[in-house]
Amino acid sequence: GAVVSQHPSRVICKSGTSVKIECRSLDFQATTMFWYRQFPKKSLMLMATSNEGSKATYEQGVEKDKFLINHASLTLSTLTVTSAHPEDSSFYICSARDSAGQGSEQYFGPGTRLTVT
Amino acid sequence: AQSVTQLGSHVSVSEGALVLLRCNYSSSVPPYLFWYVQYPNQGLQLLLKYTTGATLVKGINGFEAEFKKSETSFHLTKPSAHMSDAAEYFCAVSRNAGKSTFGDGTTLTVKP
Repeated sequence: GAVVSQHPSRVICKSGTSVKIECRSLDFQATTMFWYRQFPKKSLMLMATSNEGSKATYEQGVEKDKFLINHASLTLSTLTVTSAHPEDSSFYICSARDSAGQGSEQYFGPGTRLTVT
Repeated sequence: AQSVTQLGSHVSVSEGALVLLRCNYSSSVPPYLFWYVQYPNQGLQLLLKYTTGATLVKGINGFEAEFKKSETSFHLTKPSAHMSDAAEYFCAVSRNAGKSTFGDGTTLTVKP
């Protein structure tokens, strides 16, 4: 089956620094990837839709300059949390849609636990 | 616009008992519907999905769900709960190949 990886799986950083999270589709090409944020005991909140070769589409209320998304290839999207603060601590999950598939299914990565101290 | 409502944030069943997790949706176009399971500190795993065709969908681990358009529901069931079924379950809806909207999740507890 389709596999999506995320790196790192968990990261601790100091307030004010930037952190990059990678999302890779390992055995398929993904024109579209999605970035979600999940708070403890809460559902997934879609942050943005990442489109290969073009600008990401951000959901209302998500700061574009704070959460930088780059989708430079058909197998890699990155999320950079800039000038991180403790309130950015969360579980970040990406998903990818198989460009060659039927298009209905997203494949999810294992998530990245970000802790900002 | 589309939305998902999962009735019951916590469901507790005994091992061997029927599992029923409820999901109602709203969508302005024919929906694609999904159930995912999430174990602690992990990503989401697809249990099953409905796109078109047969309204009773069978998934992995013995789960199934029935799409009822008249009731705008997509409830998840399993005849006999296993301890390993304890997890967080999310219902999601999307339009065609668009972005998905997730419900708030239901925590399933299985008692021995």
